[in-house]
Amino acid sequence: DAGVTQSPTHLIKTRGQQVTLRCSPKSGHDTVSWYQQALGQGPQFIFQYYEEEERQRGNFPDRFSGHQFPNYSSELNVNALLLGDSALYLCASSRIADSSSYNEQFFGPGTRLTVL
Amino acid sequence: ELKVEQNPLFLSMQEGKNYTIYCNYSTTSDRLYWYRQDPGKSLESLFVLLSNGAVKQEGRLMASLDTKARLSTLHITAAVHDLSATYFCATNFGNEKLTFGTGTRLTIIP
Repeated sequence: DAGVTQSPTHLIKTRGQQVTLRCSPKSGHDTVSWYQQALGQGPQFIFQYYEEEERQRGNFPDRFSGHQFPNYSSELNVNALLLGDSALYLCASSRIADSSSYNEQFFGPGTRLTVL
Repeated sequence: ELKVEQNPLFLSMQEGKNYTIYCNYSTTSDRLYWYRQDPGKSLESLFVLLSNGAVKQEGRLMASLDTKARLSTLHITAAVHDLSATYFCATNFGNEKLTFGTGTRLTIIP
């Protein structure tokens, strides 16, 4: 059973460019969340997708957008890259469950984005 | 807004010693997670604590949860070098986003 996968592993871009990161959730999961982790900090929530809709959003500008596909995989797009966007981007998948259980988020290996 | 604080931020320990990392959170939540992160790597799930008084142990690590005090602890017993890493606590409610603490960078000195 494959866990959460992300691509690419590493990416180098220059300021002003656009980037797309990809995530495939764990088998059986239907929800994908994206987090940004700057160096030396804890992960910060970007947004969460469920049923191909953005379900929750953190305090990130509109330059950050996403998409979820019918197979539950997801993309994170960042436009007009800034130096401060350099970070490890983590994808987590989970399954929306009923109130009698909990839905732990399982993290992928991450994509390291460097903006020069 | 939910806030999560960890202390200490940095911890340098000698092998064989015991120590505790503390995690305080600001509002009601129904679960508490502990993660380990090695440099340049993703998050590895260590424990999920679901109820008041929950205690879980794995090897030299033991985690506990006091929901009334909004406090979780991660206790390290007889530390060994391979426990060196950054440890994060996180919490959420239902299907909501995870809110992470600042992390505790643990270094075990031989």
